[in-house]
Amino acid sequence: EAGVVQSPRYKIIEKKQPVAFWCNPISGHNTLYWYRQNLGQGPELLIRYENEEAVDDSQLPKDRFSAERLKGVDSTLKIQPAELGDSAVYLCASSLDRVQPQHFGDGTRLSIL
Amino acid sequence: GESVGLHLPTLSVQEGDNSIINCAYSNSASDYFIWYKQESGKGPQFIIDIRSNMDKRQGQRVTVLLNKTVKHLSLQIAATQPGDSAVYFCAENIGGYSTLTFGKGTMLLVSP
Repeated sequence: EAGVVQSPRYKIIEKKQPVAFWCNPISGHNTLYWYRQNLGQGPELLIRYENEEAVDDSQLPKDRFSAERLKGVDSTLKIQPAELGDSAVYLCASSLDRVQPQHFGDGTRLSIL
Repeated sequence: GESVGLHLPTLSVQEGDNSIINCAYSNSASDYFIWYKQESGKGPQFIIDIRSNMDKRQGQRVTVLLNKTVKHLSLQIAATQPGDSAVYFCAENIGGYSTLTFGKGTMLLVSP
């Protein structure tokens, strides 16, 4: 089966600019996660969706970050405006449901100049 | 807050040796643990998981051991191969898979 697909793989922008990441989960996976991974660290959860509902967004910096999963399949994560500290790898993961193992995409590496 | 951590940031082994990667966790309420492998430029790849009602689980060339008394988790890789070189993360969860807390990772380097 195809894995989790993320795009773009790399993104370089200047601070204060907006940026968006896209994720296509594994077909049939109802639960979708966005993580941020800083260099040398483990991934940290930003938001979790059950179908189209965001059920855990407690770690999402809501002043500048937003996410959506309108039809319960693909998802986008947006940052506006980006800050220097947002440089990281943004990972998307999906699972059949909340009690199944999570499968990760290869991430988007974001660099802020 | 409580967190998951790793004892060794880098582990170097020879091809064919057995590798042991350790992880300490501090949340006694955690009931589910996963090991992930992450190669450079790629996302974490699921290796093996274990629930707190077990103390050992085996997969293909890998074994996870859980010691709840000392809150310790280990990943054993048998006959380590160069393709096993990667960063390994342990992750813990309370009450299911939904929210995982990852440790900082251990880099495994396998020499031919």
